[in-house]
Amino acid sequence: KQEVTQIPAALSVPEGENLVLNCSFTDSAIYNLQWFRQDPGKGLTSLLLIQSSQREQTSGRLNASLDKSSGRSTLYIAASQPGDSATYLCARGDYKLSFGAGTTVTVRA
Amino acid sequence: DTAVSQTPKYLVTQMGNDKSIKCEQNLGHDTMYWYKQDSKKFLKIMFSYNNKELIINETVPNRFSPKSPDKAHLNLHINSLELGDSAVYFCASSDNMFEQYFGPGTRLTVT
Repeated sequence: KQEVTQIPAALSVPEGENLVLNCSFTDSAIYNLQWFRQDPGKGLTSLLLIQSSQREQTSGRLNASLDKSSGRSTLYIAASQPGDSATYLCARGDYKLSFGAGTTVTVRA
Repeated sequence: DTAVSQTPKYLVTQMGNDKSIKCEQNLGHDTMYWYKQDSKKFLKIMFSYNNKELIINETVPNRFSPKSPDKAHLNLHINSLELGDSAVYFCASSDNMFEQYFGPGTRLTVT
């Protein structure tokens, strides 16, 4: 059974600080890794997809890395802004995504 | 232009009733999904259809029946609703095994 863990569960940082969100998984199978953002009461917005053959993906201030050998993915958000406050979820799989419980981020102005 | 849309957004109903949630995607994707997010915000897959064929059916009570009339639509019908069915249900779609795009969710409350 595939398990996805996200630590910490919550994070509060001052505006401008870089964010580092961690995601770990227990299996070494070849799966994609996808990062999402969820705002309160809203749906999920896809941020980045790292395909199983890739090691990282970048979009603007966001960078995500994937290390299958250690079973870890990291999402970096540079120069955080209050608008980055949300819950960030990582998910692993192909057709069937297994989600972590998420990290709730608060960026203080 | 909403990529993945769901109706209704909110659904309040009594125990024992039967209800449906509709999902449509205009992305031309082959695969569609239903996920459930419980009160602890944990997301778990329920079903997946690829080109109108069921490919994933997790351990879900058979009161839940998905129906895919065409590859752009995946509806979820729930019979004999129970209190424990209260949750947010998300529809998603993808181009086979690639990036999944989620709808806005349907918040179901069973009283």
